[in-house]
Amino acid sequence: NAGVMQNPRHLVRRRGQEARLRCSPMKGHSHVYWYRQLPEEGLKFMVYLQKENIIDESGMPKERFSAEFPKEGPSILRIQQVVRGDSAAYFCASRSRFRTEAFFGQGTRLTVV
Amino acid sequence: KQEVTQIPAALSVPEGENLVLNCSFTDSAIYNLQWFRQDPGKGLTSLLLIQSSQREQTSGRLNASLDKSSGRSTLYIAASQPGDSATYLCAVQRDNNAGGTSYGKLTFGQGTILTVHP
Repeated sequence: NAGVMQNPRHLVRRRGQEARLRCSPMKGHSHVYWYRQLPEEGLKFMVYLQKENIIDESGMPKERFSAEFPKEGPSILRIQQVVRGDSAAYFCASRSRFRTEAFFGQGTRLTVV
Repeated sequence: KQEVTQIPAALSVPEGENLVLNCSFTDSAIYNLQWFRQDPGKGLTSLLLIQSSQREQTSGRLNASLDKSSGRSTLYIAASQPGDSATYLCAVQRDNNAGGTSYGKLTFGQGTILTVHP
């Protein structure tokens, strides 16, 4: 059973481009969380999704950021018109509906140049 | 709003020392507390998870304690080794209702950067 898979591991985007980060949860997991780790800062919650539903997006910036977790396929964190301040490590975690412990992926490190 | 603080921010010790990392949280209505390890440029590895009804958990040279009423947890590392060098993160899950369930959202501390030198 593979762990939580995130890709790409590293992503470089120019200012104004779009960034799409993918997260494939562990097999059997239907709950996904996204966290962001800015340089020299701790991890901050962004959004919590279940299949086809956003449950809590209280940590998402109001503009340019969106997330989805479709019935089929990975969860996607999308950042439109990226700016330098979006440079960070983005981590995904998943869990099953029966347990509250979530397991983390290796992260995607986004660099905006 | 839950706030998690870790002290010290950085710690450098010689190999073989026993050490304690501290974590405090402002809202005692937690469902569980988890300690993670993060190596540079890597993801998070879960070390220990303590349910709110538990007082401590042990795994090998690691022991984590929880005092929910005072909002504190400690991670004790015995006989430290250079391979223990990493950032250690403390995170709490909120108890969302009186029934003790939680939907898994974590609030993290800033971490303690540990360096164990030979």
